[in-house]
Amino acid sequence: DTGVSQDPRHKITKRGQNVTFRCDPISEHNRLYWYRQTLGQGPEFLTYFQNEAQLEKSRLLSDRFSAERPKGSFSTLEIQRTEQGDSAMYLCASSSQTGFTNEKLFFGSGTQLSVL
Amino acid sequence: AQKITQTQPGMFVQEKEAVTLDCTYDTSDPSYGLFWYKQPSSGEMIFLIYQGSYDQQNATEGRYSLNFQKARKSANLVISASQLGDSAMYFCAMNTAGNMLTFGGGTRLMVKP
Repeated sequence: DTGVSQDPRHKITKRGQNVTFRCDPISEHNRLYWYRQTLGQGPEFLTYFQNEAQLEKSRLLSDRFSAERPKGSFSTLEIQRTEQGDSAMYLCASSSQTGFTNEKLFFGSGTQLSVL
Repeated sequence: AQKITQTQPGMFVQEKEAVTLDCTYDTSDPSYGLFWYKQPSSGEMIFLIYQGSYDQQNATEGRYSLNFQKARKSANLVISASQLGDSAMYFCAMNTAGNMLTFGGGTRLMVKP
């Protein structure tokens, strides 16, 4: 069990560029979540997958954002035409307990995005 | 809608003392789970403790205990015998529909030597 891995740890980009982040969940975890966290705030839900199916998307996830989990293992989060307001920590989490209120999420260390 | 409120932006505690971090929640669902996570400066969210809405007893995990008062809709975290390594952000979170966690705004705990 190597934990949830996120790559890159830091990304600096210019406004208008596209960026892509990768998340490798704990192996055999069927659920994968993306959260966004701005400085001094708690994480905000963006989207989640059960296996390869994207089951829910937050209103925060504008049409510039897209997430995939093609084979039900790793996931990517792409932001197109980045804006300065996209600057945040993007956290990925995975879990193996599906659909219960005691579902414990295991988080990665996040990708810190800075848009100049 | 679900809401988590943490009213203490920052807290100081003397090393080896106990500290309570406050959390109140709002939901109309009868079934829910309450969580506390720790986020050190490295950024990773670390699970600390869980309490189910139907659990009769307060949850405990080592030095962590959860003071669950259902009628008041509060789920305060108690850390006993604080250590310097406890300095971090602490987040309260809730799961009502079994599909995501809703987080509060967090409390920064600083342990003084």
